[in-house]
Amino acid sequence: DTGVSQDPRHKITKRGQNVTFRCDPISEHNRLYWYRQTLGQGPEFLTYFQNEAQLEKSRLLSDRFSAERPKGSFSTLEIQRTEQGDSAMYLCASSSGSTEQFFGPGTRLTVL
Amino acid sequence: AQSVTQLDSQVPVFEEAPVELRCNYSSSVSVYLFWYVQYPNQGLQLLLKYLSGSTLVESINGFEAEFNKSQTSFHLRKPSVHISDTAEYFCAVTQAAGNKLTFGGGTRVLVKP
Repeated sequence: DTGVSQDPRHKITKRGQNVTFRCDPISEHNRLYWYRQTLGQGPEFLTYFQNEAQLEKSRLLSDRFSAERPKGSFSTLEIQRTEQGDSAMYLCASSSGSTEQFFGPGTRLTVL
Repeated sequence: AQSVTQLDSQVPVFEEAPVELRCNYSSSVSVYLFWYVQYPNQGLQLLLKYLSGSTLVESINGFEAEFNKSQTSFHLRKPSVHISDTAEYFCAVTQAAGNKLTFGGGTRVLVKP
């Protein structure tokens, strides 16, 4: 399977804990995006990378959130001191810089 | 800034009946428009896109969407739906290739036998 993969698929954590998600894009894609989707809503943009450079961050992304793409391949999204409001599906997508973004299956985070 | 409004949150429809999902966008510059579909327990998949040229775009599974610049709309239609079309459909917009997507709230289509 050469699509976008995300790990883990599900994460349950207690409020105040840190969590980290991983995204592996399609191998030749230089752009990688993170979105968040809450129940009953469309995905909301969080941040994106071109190669290892983080080009844009949404104002939604508080300082508890950090994303990296150290070698321009996989990316990690870390949430520190999780809150119940962080419960959502975290989606990763990649593209070759053209118009189409290919999405992974998502990581569902539940904060108790 | 750009925004997308999907006017219907849910659309129940009988099998073999037509369906239309409405999408309106707001942007101060030219945009590219997309429809994505999310089947139960699956990721988002691109259904069709408008970049330029003909304002009517079609997908391989019978959906079509028409870009209307004057009405800032990109409505999605299918003349005859199947049970397998049950899914959530998202309209999205971007201002340039490779940039972030702005999504609407989604329309859940439930096809009844």
